[in-house]
Amino acid sequence: LAKTTQPISMDSYEGQEVNITCSHNNIATNDYITWYQQFPSQGPRFIIQGYKTKVTNEVASLFIPADRKSSTLSLPRVSLSDTAVYYCLVGASGYSSASKIIFGSGTRLSIRP
Amino acid sequence: DVKVTQSSRYLVKRTGEKVFLECVQDMDHENMFWYRQDPGLGLRLIYFSYDVKMKEKGDIPEGYSVSREKKERFSLILESASTNQTSMYLCASSLMGGASTEAFFGQGTRLTVV
Repeated sequence: LAKTTQPISMDSYEGQEVNITCSHNNIATNDYITWYQQFPSQGPRFIIQGYKTKVTNEVASLFIPADRKSSTLSLPRVSLSDTAVYYCLVGASGYSSASKIIFGSGTRLSIRP
Repeated sequence: DVKVTQSSRYLVKRTGEKVFLECVQDMDHENMFWYRQDPGLGLRLIYFSYDVKMKEKGDIPEGYSVSREKKERFSLILESASTNQTSMYLCASSLMGGASTEAFFGQGTRLTVV
């Protein structure tokens, strides 16, 4: 499993664009990059996934450079409700004993008015 | 919509009690997971199961066991509860396994051991 490194915490203000970067230097060819969002007192929820270049959905964008050794989750015009912990996961599909999903400590994002 | 349901939202148990945390998913997922979450430590994997009756240890299995007799149900058992097992417990399921698959989480059980 590829090790990931992301900032422990970030602060921003409403209306700003927030970029959270995740480093994954030993990413493997078959690995995808997946981000989850966790609000207080809830379980994490999947928000976006990508393999290379750029992926965009209604919640966020994910930018992945050509070498794939890092990725950036971009949240446009954040609001107070985007205050959450964001987890970056890197890995491939797994079966049997390889099917486990490991989360790190995540990035605690705090949005201020 | 995938639904992962945990039997209790809040639970208070005494030290030494045997505690059962139940999790049920309704989407015929192969894989199920139990995590615990403590302040500042993120989610830590306790056990996971990739098929009925199959189980694998996660990163922190000590003091826990699991049971998966039916595909939709995955139980976490604290054989003899201790105060250091006070935590938020989260169950998840996924169709396929591995970090590139989407996991769906339950609402969590906040367990307090006194």
